[in-house]
Amino acid sequence: AQRVTQPEKLLSVFKGAPVELKCNYSYSGSPELFWYVQYSRQRLQLLLRHISRESIKGFTADLNKGETSFHLKKPFAQEEDSAMYYCALSSGAGSYQLTFGKGTKLSVIP
Amino acid sequence: EAGVVQSPRYKIIEKKQPVAFWCNPISGHNTLYWYRQNLGQGPELLIRYENEEAVDDSQLPKDRFSAERLKGVDSTLKIQPAELGDSAVYLCASSGNRAGYTFGSGTRLTVV
Repeated sequence: AQRVTQPEKLLSVFKGAPVELKCNYSYSGSPELFWYVQYSRQRLQLLLRHISRESIKGFTADLNKGETSFHLKKPFAQEEDSAMYYCALSSGAGSYQLTFGKGTKLSVIP
Repeated sequence: EAGVVQSPRYKIIEKKQPVAFWCNPISGHNTLYWYRQNLGQGPELLIRYENEEAVDDSQLPKDRFSAERLKGVDSTLKIQPAELGDSAVYLCASSGNRAGYTFGSGTRLTVV
C-alpha cells in the first residue's frame, strides 16, 4: 500500500527565513512525487513535480529514494507563500491517480 | 479557458436526503477523477474515469454513492441517502496525456 506522511500540520516561519516542508512516502515501485498548494479561497493547484526538476516560486524539492523523502524547500519565505501544502504520490502508468498527505499549513509571519 | 467547473459550490442538506454534484472537465481531458476531502485531511480518490468507463471505483462506497460520466465528458456524483459523515469537500479533477491534474473548486457538502 502506498502512503504519504507529512509530519507537521502547521509550520510558522518569519519572512525571509528558510522553509522546509517535510514529506515521506512508502511505495513499492518507482514513485512520481508532487507538491500541490492551496492558497486561501483558491483551488488546489500543482506547485511542482519531481520529474521536472524545476523551481517554482523559489521552491525546490528533491526526491531522496534512500530516505523515501520529498521535502519542499525555499531559502527565503515570503508572506504570499502562506498556504496549505500537500505532498502527493502517483501510481500507475499513463493516467495516474494521486495519494495525498494530510497537508501542512505554512504561515509566514511578517 | 474555464478550467474544471463544479457546481454547486456549497450544499447543505438534511441527513437521509439525496444530493448530486456536477463536474465539467477541461475540454479534451479524457481522465476524470472524483476526490473527497474531509476536514484536516488530504483528498482521497473516490472514482476515476477514462472517457466514459469507470476504471477504478474501489474507494467508492457503493451502497450509497453512484457516479456516471455519460458521453465521456461531464460527470455527476450522487449520494443517496446522505449521512452526517458525508460532510466534506468533493473535488473533481481532470487530466490528459500525463499533462497533470487540474482541480475544480470543489463542492462543500454539509449534512445536518
